[in-house]
Amino acid sequence: EDQVTQSPEALRLQEGESSSLNCSYTVSGLRGLFWYRQDPGKGPEFLFTLYSAGEEKEKERLKATLTKKESFLHITAPKPEDSATYLCAVPGATNKLIFGTGTLLAVQP
Amino acid sequence: EAGVAQSPRYKIIEKRQSVAFWCNPISGHATLYWYQQILGQGPKLLIQFQNNGVVDDSQLPKDRFSAERLKGVDSTLKIQPAKLEDSAVYLCASSPAGLTGELFFGEGSRLTVL
Repeated sequence: EDQVTQSPEALRLQEGESSSLNCSYTVSGLRGLFWYRQDPGKGPEFLFTLYSAGEEKEKERLKATLTKKESFLHITAPKPEDSATYLCAVPGATNKLIFGTGTLLAVQP
Repeated sequence: EAGVAQSPRYKIIEKRQSVAFWCNPISGHATLYWYQQILGQGPKLLIQFQNNGVVDDSQLPKDRFSAERLKGVDSTLKIQPAKLEDSAVYLCASSPAGLTGELFFGEGSRLTVL
C-alpha cells in the first residue's frame, strides 16, 4: 500500500538552531516528491518538487533532498517566520497525491 | 494573479443538515481538486476534475457527498446529510494541467458538525 510517513510529528527549535524533517515513502515507481508549507488557517503552499535520488532543491533557509526511500527538509538557522506545518506528498498508484500527516515546526525567538 | 477562492470560510451545522462549499480556481487551470483535511492529518483527495469531467472520485463518500464543476470553471461540493465525522477543512486546489504535484490551494472552508 502506498504510504507517506513524516517525522517528527512536532519540532520546537530555538531561532538559529538548524535541524531536519524526515519524509519516508512507500510507493512503486516514484513520480516525484513534493514539499508543502501550511500556515494555521491557510491552505498548503507548494515549496519543492524532487524527482530523482540525489536531487536537491533550495529556497532561502530550506533545502530539500531525496534518496530512494526518503526525503529530508533541512532548515538552516531558522527564524520564527519559518514556523508552520511542513507536508510532503507523493503520487500513489492511481496518480493522486498522498500526503503525510506533516511536521509542526515551532521556532522560538 | 488571483489565487483560488473558496467560500464560506467557516460553517457550523447540525448533523443531518446539508452544506455546500464553492470554489473558483485560478484562471486557466484545467484541473480542480477537492481535499478533506481532518485536524492533525494531511489532506485527502475527495475528487479531481479535469475541465468539467471527473478524473478520480474513488474516495468521495457518494452516499452523502456530491460535487460538480459546471462549464469547467468553478465548482461546488455538497454534503447531505452531514455527519459528525465530516467536521474538517475542505480545501480546493487547482493546477494548470493533470497531476504535476504543484497544486495551488485555497484557504479552505472549515466545517463543524454538531
